[in-house]
Amino acid sequence: ELKVEQNPLFLSMQEGKNYTIYCNYSTTSDRLYWYRQDPGKSLESLFVLLSNGAVKQEGRLMASLDTKARLSTLHITAAVHDLSATYFCAVVPPQGAQKLVFGQGTRLTINP
Amino acid sequence: DVKVTQSSRYLVKRTGEKVFLECVQDMDHENMFWYRQDPGLGLRLIYFSYDVKMKEKGDIPEGYSVSREKKERFSLILESASTNQTSMYLCASSSGQERPEAFFGQGTRLTVV
Repeated sequence: ELKVEQNPLFLSMQEGKNYTIYCNYSTTSDRLYWYRQDPGKSLESLFVLLSNGAVKQEGRLMASLDTKARLSTLHITAAVHDLSATYFCAVVPPQGAQKLVFGQGTRLTINP
Repeated sequence: DVKVTQSSRYLVKRTGEKVFLECVQDMDHENMFWYRQDPGLGLRLIYFSYDVKMKEKGDIPEGYSVSREKKERFSLILESASTNQTSMYLCASSSGQERPEAFFGQGTRLTVV
């Protein structure tokens, strides 16, 4: 059974600082997704990572995938308050239906 | 833009009621999903469907059923609502092709009293 774990689950940081959210998963997969959720809102797709070594960047967020280590990272550079949200990673199992298995989410709070 | 629309943002129902949550997508996606979101537990898959009239159980199907009579519509049914089904319910759809990125609806916050 595929399990996805994120850490940390809660992160409070100051504006201008850098930090990394980690996503580990338990079985082989070459498809990993990052989503953002604002309070009371739905999930917004951020990144789709499809192969080992894939790196995607959008503004102050950068995501990478290491399929051998079964690890993805979401790196935040020079954080700003607008990035405060909950971030989820999700993985597609290696075979069978196209469902996504989610991590628990990381609640990120960025303080001015 | 992909649009996934859930019929209600907020619902309050009584214990024992039969509850229908409706979801419609406009991108001709093969796959549709119902997730439940609870604090500290992330998103858990209840049911999914990869074609009309086809369905598969997810991780927590107990107490729920689904219906997919048309490709664009996927309904979640709580046969007899209970207080432990109070939660945020999220519907999603994906194309089922090489990049099955899922697009989510706005969510339905269900309270069972």
